[in-house]
Amino acid sequence: EVQVVESGGGLVQAGGSLRLSCAASGSTFMSYVMGWVRQAPGKGLEWVSAISGSGGSTHYADSVKGRFTISRDNSKNTLYLQMNSLRAEDTAMYYCTKTRYYPDYFDNWGQGTLVTVSS
Amino acid sequence: EIVMTQSPATLSVSPGERATLSCRASQSVSSNLAWYQQKPGQAPRLLIYGASTRATGLPARFSGSGSGTEFTLTISSLQSEDFAVYYCQQYNNWLTFGGGTKVEIK
Repeated sequence: EVQVVESGGGLVQAGGSLRLSCAASGSTFMSYVMGWVRQAPGKGLEWVSAISGSGGSTHYADSVKGRFTISRDNSKNTLYLQMNSLRAEDTAMYYCTKTRYYPDYFDNWGQGTLVTVSS
Repeated sequence: EIVMTQSPATLSVSPGERATLSCRASQSVSSNLAWYQQKPGQAPRLLIYGASTRATGLPARFSGSGSGTEFTLTISSLQSEDFAVYYCQQYNNWLTFGGGTKVEIK
C-alpha cells in the first residue's frame, strides 16, 4: 500500500503563495492518479485537484482554477500543489490522496498539512 | 455540479444500536458512491465504494446500499470506535462530497 506524507503548510498572507509537497512510498507511484482534498476548520471535505500518473492530465475545482497548479515528479515519488493568490477561504487542512483513476474514490489519504491564510 | 445531501446532520445513537445514514444526489450517480469515516484530528478513512463494497478490513457491521440518487450507510451495532463523522462522495461526474453526518453517543 502506498503511504503518503504531506509537508509545506504554514501561515501566509492573503495574496501570497505556498507550495505543498506529498512524498509517497512504494515503486508504483506513477501508476496512480494523485490529488488533493481540503477541509476548512470545522467544515466538510472539498476536492481540490487531481493529476494523472504521467502528469499529462490535470483537473481542478472551480474554486482554485487559475490559482493552483498541481504537478508531480515520478522520479522522486512526489506530488506538488503550487498555490498562488491565496485567499482567506483557502485556509484548510490539505490532504494528499490517491485514486485508481479520475474520477474515483479516494482509497488512500495522508495525515494532512495545514494552510492558514491571514487577511 | 452534482450536489450531495446527507441526513441527518447529527445522529444520536446508543452503543449497540443500529445507525442509518442517508445520502442523496441531485442527479443519478449510478453506483459511483463512496463513504468515509473521519474521527477528530484524523484523516478520512474509506469505508465503502461502489455504493456497497466494503474496503479491505472493514467490519461486516458496516454496509452500504442504494443506486442512482438514494444511498444508505448502515452500522448494524454501533461500537465505541464508530462514533465519528461520516461523508458520502460521488465520483460519477467530477467529485463532490456530502456535508457529513455526525454520529454521536446518545
